[in-house]
Formats: sequence, structure tokens, C-alpha cells
Amino acid sequence: KAGVTQTPRYLIKTRGQQVTLSCSPISGHRSVSWYQQTPGQGLQFLFEYFSETQRNKGNFPGRFSGRQFSNSRSEMNVSTLELGDSALYLCASSLATGTSGGYYEQYFGPGTRLTVT
Amino acid sequence: KNQVEQSPQSLIILEGKNCTLQCNYTVSPFSNLRWYKQDTGRGPVSLTIMTFSENTKSNGRYTATLDADTKQSSLHITASQLSDSASYICVVSGGGTYKYIFGTGTRLKVLA
Repeated sequence: KAGVTQTPRYLIKTRGQQVTLSCSPISGHRSVSWYQQTPGQGLQFLFEYFSETQRNKGNFPGRFSGRQFSNSRSEMNVSTLELGDSALYLCASSLATGTSGGYYEQYFGPGTRLTVT
Repeated sequence: KNQVEQSPQSLIILEGKNCTLQCNYTVSPFSNLRWYKQDTGRGPVSLTIMTFSENTKSNGRYTATLDADTKQSSLHITASQLSDSASYICVVSGGGTYKYIFGTGTRLKVLA
């Protein structure tokens, strides 16, 4: 079974531009989560989608947005890029989204390395 | 404040030795605690997941413990191998905005 794929793997953008990153989950997985990883802050949760609906959202500004398509593929968009947005953006998929007391195994993709100059 | 703290920040051990990594959290409500291994330049890989009622879970040479009363977890690596060199990240799942709170990780280096 193919793993989680993310495209592109590397991206260089200029301040003020916008960027769209793509994530294809493992076949059959309906939940996709996005994370930002930086050396200073570590991994931080951005948002989680399940069945095309955002189910949870982390503490990030509105410049960060996402969506999920009917085939479970997901995209995240960052508008008006800032230097501080330079990071590794990771996507993870799971069969479903866990409810209180329950959980599903998450499988991470290799990430998209975004550099903002 | 919902936080996950890991110690030590970094650790160097000789191949074949055991080591224990620590994770303390203040996340509430609590749903589950996960340990991940992340090799340089790659996405994290899950090692163990534990809910409130579980206090030990093993995955090969990796054994995680959870004390929900003291809000502490540990990851014990037995008979370390060079391939264990990686960052180990503790993640606590709560709910809503605190769906996943990550620790900053412990960087482990295993020397031959």
C-alpha cells in the first residue's frame, strides 16, 4: 500500500506570496491532519479534516487554511507569506478522526520544505 | 497552560546500552499519549499510543509507560542500535485546539 505523499517536496517563495501544498493520504484513509515543524517551535498542529470538513484547528492565524476533497486528498494554503512561515509542513493520514477516549494510528508523509525569502 | 515537556533535550549513548526518555504533560482533557520516532529529513513514525487506562505498551525494543495520575510518560529503549539515532517526540492528544500538543523532542545519538 502506498504511503502518504506530499507535493512539492521543496519550495522557495518570496514574502507576500501565497503557496499551496498538497497531500494524498493512504488509500482508504479519510482523515488528514497538517502540521508545521520548525527548529524553534517543534511540531505544531495546524488543522484536521475528515470527510471534507475541518474537525479541529490549531492556534494559527487565518492566513493558514486548508481543504479536503471528496477523494480525501487535501491541500493547505498559506497567504501573504512571512519569513517565519519557513518550515517543514507535514501531513498525516488516518482511517478516521478519533473521538474522546479513542484514537487512530497516524501515518506521516515526508513533508514539504518551504523556504520564504 | 497545555504543555508537553521532554527531557533530556539530547542524549548520547553507546550501542547496546539502554536509555530512558521522559515526557511530562499538563494537557487537559487527556485523550491519549503517543511516542514518535523521527529520522532526520523524514516524517515521524509512530512507536506507541496509550490511552488513560493503559500504563505500559511495547513495540519491539521500545517500551512506553504512562502514569496518568502524575501526568508522566517514559520511553525505554533496550539494547540500542545505531539505527535508533533519531529524534523522539512525545505527543499528547486532548481536544479541539489542543487536539495534538507536541513536545520538543529528545535527540538521541547512538555511537558504535
